This record gives sequence, C-alpha cells and structure tokens, in this order.
Amino acid sequence: GAGVSQSPSNKVTEKGKDVELRCDPISGHTALYWYRQSLGQGLEFLIYFQGNSAPDKSGLPSDRFSAERTGGSVSTLTIQRTQQEDSAVYLCASSLVGGPSPTDTQYFGPGTRLTVL
Amino acid sequence: GNSVTQMEGPVTLSEEAFLTINCTYTATGYPSLFWYVQYPGEGLQLLLKATKADDKGSNKGFEATYRKETTSFHLEKGSVQVSDSAVYFCAENGGSGGGNKLTFGTGTQLKVEL
Repeated sequence: GAGVSQSPSNKVTEKGKDVELRCDPISGHTALYWYRQSLGQGLEFLIYFQGNSAPDKSGLPSDRFSAERTGGSVSTLTIQRTQQEDSAVYLCASSLVGGPSPTDTQYFGPGTRLTVL
Repeated sequence: GNSVTQMEGPVTLSEEAFLTINCTYTATGYPSLFWYVQYPGEGLQLLLKATKADDKGSNKGFEATYRKETTSFHLEKGSVQVSDSAVYFCAENGGSGGGNKLTFGTGTQLKVEL
C-alpha cells in the first residue's frame, strides 16, 4: 500500500508544552521504529516496536519521551515538557518483519519537524 | 555500542566524475548494511543494501560491496550527475543481537556541479 505517513509535518511549540507525533506504518508491516535527526546528533534511534513484544526503549533520551503503538499499527510519540534541545526532525520507519531477520529493510516516512521556542 | 564512520563532507564533484564515499562499521557478527539517500527537501530513501559478506548492492548506478575483512561498505558511482546531489547515510542494523535498529553514520553531503 502507501508508504509510511507522519503527522503533523511541522510542529512549533513553546518550551514546557507537551506534543504528540503520529506515525502510520506501511500496511502489513509488523515492526515500527522512531528516530530523530538533529544537527548536533545526526540520526539517532529512539524506540522500536515489534509485534506484541515489549518495545525496545533503549534510545529514548529521557523519561519525558514515551511512545505507544495501538492495535499493532499506528504509533504516537509523546514528548512531555518540551525543551529547546528537543527541536529536531522525528522520523518514523516500518519494516515487514523486524526482529533478528538479517534482510529486513526499514522504510521511512517524511518526518515531523519539531521546533521548540 | 555500535558505530558507523563515514567520510566527512561536503564533497563537491564535477558532473561525470567518479564518486567514492567511505564507510566502516564496528558491529560484530553479520549485520546487514545499507546506504540511504536524502535529497533536498525529501525524506530518507533506501539506495541499496547488502545482507552478507561479499554481497554487492547496486541501484541507480551506485554500488557498494560488503567487505567483512575490512568492516567496510564504501559507496561508489562511476559517473555522477547533478541530480545525485544529496546527503548519503551509511547504516547497519546491529549484527549480533542488534534487534534490527539502525545505526547511522553522520551523513556525507554530495554536491555535483556542471
């Protein structure tokens, strides 16, 4: 079906506010990933969902960041009490299998550009 | 943790020049290796990949060979075009126990001029 979609495409918020970013993966893909791309840190892994398994949260930079994936499809990344250093492009990707499969390919969405004033 | 090192940019070439962007990785085992490309104003797109040693990935005239002995996956193209101007990212998916999350290099900006 269609590719990975993300919304909103741009988000401007004030420091201290909470934000929610949405990702719709490719239909049928069981694995979903969040990354962020910032000038200072490049592309960083944040969190990974694989089917019904517990998510791999090892890349989340602080407890202000959380994510959930409902019904094995749509995912929401929530950032509480945003800080200026959270400004970045947040990328979502999905893949067919995930897990230890050596051949799985991740397909990326267009990203959400978050600006914290 | 794992890391990917790729050559610093920006790289500026004339059209039809030969391109090499070096990439090395540290993951143990046999990770899959990827080159992603980000054209101006667009999202990340998979350019090519290789999933085992000595495999060659290729697409759009670009090639990269998985070299286990040197832990490298250098990107090459024999004749670049202005339309190849973009940022190129090398990545690996974790090898042993990596769980498929990608580790990216810092990206290499390529500018091709007439």
